Amino acid sequence: QQQVKQSPQSLIVQKGGISIINCAYENTAFDYFPWYQQFPGKGPALLIAIRPDVSEKKEGRFTISFNKSAKQFSLHIMDSQPGDSATYFCAASKRHAGGTSYGKLTFGQGTILTVHP
Amino acid sequence: DAGVTQSPTHLIKTRGQQVTLRCSPKSGHDTVSWYQQALGQGPQFIFQYYEEEERQRGNFPDRFSGHQFPNYSSELNVNALLLGDSALYLCASRSHRARGQPQHFGDGTRLSIL
Repeated sequence: QQQVKQSPQSLIVQKGGISIINCAYENTAFDYFPWYQQFPGKGPALLIAIRPDVSEKKEGRFTISFNKSAKQFSLHIMDSQPGDSATYFCAASKRHAGGTSYGKLTFGQGTILTVHP
Repeated sequence: DAGVTQSPTHLIKTRGQQVTLRCSPKSGHDTVSWYQQALGQGPQFIFQYYEEEERQRGNFPDRFSGHQFPNYSSELNVNALLLGDSALYLCASRSHRARGQPQHFGDGTRLSIL
């Protein structure tokens, strides 16, 4: 019940195109859904995050779409650029019992995005 | 303003040995979490420390232990190393009081077991 499933495993997009990565979760207690970007040799860096009280959040070229009833959320990268080539992870978290702090992040398996110039 | 720093960046050990990895959280952060990232996989949560106590633990054996110091820095200790412990070990920090504030990750320690 703690799993987060991510697809596709890899994605190739032409410069200027739209990259779409999908995630599905099982635990309905999750209430924080971040996306992370990771370059080789680096740690994950937060891109954008959403809570289940909204269906969409946009920050620049990055948009999260959230479907609470389907327990699915997706990342859309508009006008994809070669510099966006990286591994993307979706994740989910919930309030730690007894407090307001969010602790454990449960990650998807990752999507390797390649943007061709 | 320094982010999360981890040391060492790379480490090579042999089976059966013990290892200690170190993490300094981002300035202003008091909560530290550790993750294990195997090659080609997403990070897996090991445990989280706040106020020098382990607050949450993932599905890792007791060979994995940790510590948090009064200055909020943290150590991850792994005993009786196995080949399967080869991975990138990531430290993440956040502020306990700031609701919704994201976790900031360091660049990790690459541990190789021979």
